[in-house]
Amino acid sequence: DSGVTQTPKHLITATGQRVTLRCSPRSGDLSVYWYQQSLDQGLQFLIQYYNGEERAKGNILERFSAQQFPDLHSELNLSSLELGDSALYFCASSLFPGELFFGEGSRLTVL
Amino acid sequence: AQTVTQSQPEMSVQEAETVTLSCTYDTSENNYYLFWYKQPPSRQMILVIRQEAYKQQNATENRFSVNFQKAAKSFSLKISDSQLGDTAMYFCAFMIARVSTAGKSTFGDGTTLTVKP
Repeated sequence: DSGVTQTPKHLITATGQRVTLRCSPRSGDLSVYWYQQSLDQGLQFLIQYYNGEERAKGNILERFSAQQFPDLHSELNLSSLELGDSALYFCASSLFPGELFFGEGSRLTVL
Repeated sequence: AQTVTQSQPEMSVQEAETVTLSCTYDTSENNYYLFWYKQPPSRQMILVIRQEAYKQQNATENRFSVNFQKAAKSFSLKISDSQLGDTAMYFCAFMIARVSTAGKSTFGDGTTLTVKP
């Protein structure tokens, strides 16, 4: 158990819809990261927050947005969903400097 | 910008044998961390081993060890006495040890390792 909690674990929705993925970092970790992993692919960095502020942006689509709240949990919002958005979405947290601790991921299926 | 390259998309090894996974990286930074993560079929990302760039001694964790060559920017993972449970995708990752970057990591594309009985 990494201490990072992601909900929901599985999500099935239709094209055009909007979903929200939630992440609770490990206690004390200020940094939260979001990654996307399509089937049998590597990890694509989406976005990073540090203590409530956006710190780095990767290949995140304009249809996607995220935020980190004062209690340090984070949400990733995916809108106008397309079939290609089907993937495993990971949240990770870290107490810099140090390794990332990953949640179990949220598997999104867009039909 | 930092890049991480894993040149072996797939590898296989016989149970109980030794295998080495390659990773090279490119950076102009002097202080950084390197990691190997394992992703088994369950898809959970698990840290295998970490290396601080300022340490000359290679990190070891039980059957897992690294060969860190800072000048060559190489960071290979050696798995000794391979077990069936080692079957997974392995990712090499790089993190700058600078407060301003707050720990942003760069991952390689992964190497799928299959341990055969």
